Formats: sequence, structure tokens, C-alpha cells
Amino acid sequence: GAGVSQSPRYKVTKRGQDVALRCDPISGHVSLFWYQQALGQGPEFLTYFQNEAQLDKSGLPSDRFFAERPEGSVSTLKIQRTQQEDSAVYLCASSLVGGWGDTQYFGPGTRLTVL
Amino acid sequence: AQSVTQLDSQVPVFEEAPVELRCNYSSSVSVYLFWYVQYPNQGLQLLLKYLSGSTLVESINGFEAEFNKSQTSFHLRKPSVHISDTAEYFCAVSDRLGFQKLVFGTGTRLLVSP
Repeated sequence: GAGVSQSPRYKVTKRGQDVALRCDPISGHVSLFWYQQALGQGPEFLTYFQNEAQLDKSGLPSDRFFAERPEGSVSTLKIQRTQQEDSAVYLCASSLVGGWGDTQYFGPGTRLTVL
Repeated sequence: AQSVTQLDSQVPVFEEAPVELRCNYSSSVSVYLFWYVQYPNQGLQLLLKYLSGSTLVESINGFEAEFNKSQTSFHLRKPSVHISDTAEYFCAVSDRLGFQKLVFGTGTRLLVSP
């Protein structure tokens, strides 16, 4: 079956512009995670959804970052007034239930470059 | 809070040689442990995980990892590597409670040469 997909795969934007990154999780997966991976680093947690509820947003770096999953399926990560330090690969992952060591399946990521 | 240390940023090895990628973690609570692999231009894929039971876990492509609670380690090993094993390997932990966000190490790049 289809895995997690993300779009766009690459996004180049100018400082100060807004961007929206999309994640399509595996169908039927309840849990959805966003991670940020800076160059040469491991992924870092941003936020978590269980269905449409955003249960944890403790990893969002600033109030310029906003995520939503209005119908409990597709999720969008929005970054307002982008800064150069926002340049990174943004990874989306989904899991069937979340918890109990459930496997997270990752998408290919969106590479964001802020000029 | 948890943290993961992967001391080796890069490990060069010849084909058919054995390899060990080191992972140590710090946590005040019990954790689940994971190894993910990222092949060039691909997303992260789960390689293996430790949840409970036998401390030695194996993957389908010959990798194994052993959970050592006293040393807080979860090193990844393979007795004989192939060129195709060239990739970035990430160790990760998650809390056993709640929704289990993953905390990753900085990764180890395995470079297999002929």
C-alpha cells in the first residue's frame, strides 16, 4: 500500500515569506508526527496529532510555526515569516495507534531552503 | 527527558567486514529503543526495535542490536556488511508512556567500500 507522502519535496523561499508543507499519512493511521531535521543532525520532534486533535506542540520553535489536521487525515505545517534558521528537512510520520512501541512510518521529507 | 548519543559520525568499513554502530541513551524512565536507516534520497525506515523480552533483536537483513540496561546502550551490529548497507543510521528512544515521540541521536554514516 501507499506510504506517507509529503509535498512539495523541495521548497525554496525568501526570508519573510509564508510556506505550507503537506503530509498525507498512511490511510487509517490515527497518529501523526512532525519532525525537523537540520543539516547534520537527527530529527527533532515538533508536534503530534491524534486524529484531528493536536495533543502536543511543545517542539514548535516559535509562534511562527502552526500545524493542523482538520479532518484527522492530511496535515499541514505552516511557517509564517520564514527565517534562515528555518532551513531544514521537515519530516512527517504516521503510526497506527501511537504508543506501545508502535512503529512510526516516515515520509520522504520536504527540504525547505530560506534565502 | 531523554537523550541519545551516537559518538561516531562516520564509520568506514570494507565489504564483508563486521561493523558495530554505537548508541547510548539517557533517560529517567523506561524506554523503547529503535534503529532507523536512511538510504540516500530516501526517507527514514525502521530497521529494528526493542520493546520488551529478549534483549537481542534482529532485522530481516542481518543487523542485530542488544539492549544493555546497565550500560544504557543499544549498539547495532552486523557480522558482514554489503555495499548496499551504505546509509545513515539513527538510534532513537521513546518514553513507554503516552504517545511516544521519538528522540533521535545525530546519526552515524556507514560507508562500505569494496
